This record gives sequence, C-alpha cells and structure tokens, in this order.
Amino acid sequence: DQQVKQNSPSLSVQEGRISILNCDYTNSMFDYFLWYKKYPAEGPTFLISISSIKDKNEDGRFTVFLNKSAKHLSLHIVPSQPGDSAVYFCAASLYGGATNKLIFGTGTLLAVQP
Amino acid sequence: NAGVTQTPKFRVLKTGQSMTLLCAQDMNHEYMYWYRQDPGMGLRLIHYSVGEGTTAKGEVPDGYNVSRLKKQNFLLGLESAAPSQTSVYFCASSNSSPFGQFFGPGTRLTVL
Repeated sequence: DQQVKQNSPSLSVQEGRISILNCDYTNSMFDYFLWYKKYPAEGPTFLISISSIKDKNEDGRFTVFLNKSAKHLSLHIVPSQPGDSAVYFCAASLYGGATNKLIFGTGTLLAVQP
Repeated sequence: NAGVTQTPKFRVLKTGQSMTLLCAQDMNHEYMYWYRQDPGMGLRLIHYSVGEGTTAKGEVPDGYNVSRLKKQNFLLGLESAAPSQTSVYFCASSNSSPFGQFFGPGTRLTVL
C-alpha cells in the first residue's frame, strides 16, 4: 500500500507560467513533508519542506501548500523556468521517530517549455 | 566538503556475482540510508543505519546486506546478484532534523 502518491507522472508548462505538482498521502501521523528535485544522472536534492502544523511555506519561487483534512499537498513554482525541468519527488517523514526515514512518492517529471 | 559520495558510479555484473557499493559522507551525520530507484517506483528504502555499528531493514531488503563499521561509511553488499537488482542505487545521510536527507550522485548497476 503506497502511503505517498503522486498521480501525475508528467507535467508540461510554458516558461513564465505556474507549475503545480500534487501529492496525496494516507498516513495522518506524518509530521513533515518534503519536496526533492532530481536532474538526470544526479541524486535528489532537497527543495522545500513543511511541517504538518503549517498550511503554507514559501521560499522564493517555490511554495508548498498543505491540506491536512484532504491529506494533500502541492508544490507551486512561479514563475516556471526551463531550469526547473526535472523530476520532483514528494516525501513524508515521521520526524518524531528515531530514524528520520522518508517515504517517497513515485515522482512527477516537469518539463518547462521555453 | 564533498557531501555524500558513492563508489562506483557504474557497474555491470553477471548473475550470481557479488559486489559492494561504498557510500561515504563527511557531514558527521548519524543516519545513513540506501535506496533503489526504478522506473515508476520512486525511491524505495533498502536498509538504513541510525548510528555506527547499527543497521536495520527498510522496505525492500531482500538480497542485500549492509554494514556501518565507521560513522562516515555505509556499505551495501549484493552476495549473489540477480537481474531484478538492476537499478540505480542512491545513498543518503542526515541528522535528526526535518530538513531532509542529503543524497549521493547514485550508482547505476546492471545485472545481466
């Protein structure tokens, strides 16, 4: 049973427009959610996170929204740039645990068209 | 700082051969992890370690063994490689914080 789901395998957006990547989860005990970005032939890199006690976190062009009642989070990128083209992974953490383990979604490939 | 490094970057094995993947981190992190990434499957945790001398099973541990003899190193072993273990392997490390894990560049392994 997949606890973190990214139902859109790919997304194509025009440069300058907004990119919205979505993620759903099933475990209400998750207390942190993270987004990672991955370029081909590289490891994932941390992008932005949000605590379960917040509903929004913003960092420059990137904003993550959390809707706990719907068990849904989204990553907004505004404005989108060609360099944002990558695979984006959503991940969830039980930070209060002793392992700092993450559970990842399957990823969404974002293509930003010039 | 080099961050997280992985050796080798690429490897081709024949079925039944063994090999060890090495992960090293220079950030003094307590926790280290091994993942595999397969198309459409995301990143799946193989084994992890919460400190020197400790290891634990993740989501997909079968066919793999690990060791953490030194805090900065985490080794992933395949005793008898199978074609199903063809994948990209990522190592990561972290401290106990909500700011996520730091990943290495990956090892692309093909088992023929």
